[in-house]
Amino acid sequence: EIVLTQSPGTLSLSPGERATLSCRASQSVSSTYLTWYQQKPGQAPRLLIYGASSRAAGIPGRFSASGSGTDFTLTVSRLEPEDFAVYYCQQYDSSVLTFGGGTKVEIK
Amino acid sequence: QVQLQESGPGLVKPSETLSLTCTVSGGSVTGSYWNWIRVPPGRGLEWIGYTHYSGNSKYNPSLKSRVTMSVDTSKNQFSLKLSSVTAADTADYFCARWESNQKAFDIWGQGTVVTVSP
Repeated sequence: EIVLTQSPGTLSLSPGERATLSCRASQSVSSTYLTWYQQKPGQAPRLLIYGASSRAAGIPGRFSASGSGTDFTLTVSRLEPEDFAVYYCQQYDSSVLTFGGGTKVEIK
Repeated sequence: QVQLQESGPGLVKPSETLSLTCTVSGGSVTGSYWNWIRVPPGRGLEWIGYTHYSGNSKYNPSLKSRVTMSVDTSKNQFSLKLSSVTAADTADYFCARWESNQKAFDIWGQGTVVTVSP
C-alpha cells in the first residue's frame, strides 16, 4: 500500500499569503492518479486538482499543483478567506486507493 | 447534474451491521464506479471501496472481510454493508462518483454520520 505523507500538518497563514502544501508518497505514484481535494467543516470534499496538475471545473486559477514520482505540491498563490480548509492528496495504484493525512490551512 | 444522497441509520450497535444507501439523481447508476469513503472523528479520509453495476467491486484490504457493496439499478441506488462494527467504525460516511476521465472523485454526497454505540 502506498502511504501518502502530507506536510505540514497545519499551516497558519494570513489572507493574501501564498500556501505551499506537500504530499510525499512512500513509492512512485502515477501522475494520472494523483489528486487533491479541499474539505471544509461539515462539507463533503471538493475536487481541486486531478492528474497531478489539472484544475477541476470551476476551480480558481490561484490553485496550482505540480510534481511527479514521489513528490507533489499544491500551491495557493494568494489565499482568499474561503480557502481556509483541510487539503488532502490521494492516489490510486490499482490495488488500493489511499489519502494523505491532510494539511489544515488556518487563519493566522 | 448528478447528485448523491446518503441514507441510513445514524446509530448502530457494536457487532451489528452498518447499512447505508446512496441514491443517484440526475443520472444513471449504470454509468460509473461508485465509492464509499469515510472520515472518522479527528482523522483523515479513508477509502472503503467501490462497486459497479456489472457486479465488479473492490474493497480496501483493511476492511475487505467485513464489507459488501452492491448496485440496485431499479432504484438507481448503491449500497454499503459493513459487518461486525465497533466504535472504530464511527465516522462520517460519504458516497462518491469516480469520474473515469479525470480519475478522481468528482461528485460527493453530503455525508451521513454513523455512530457505533450500545
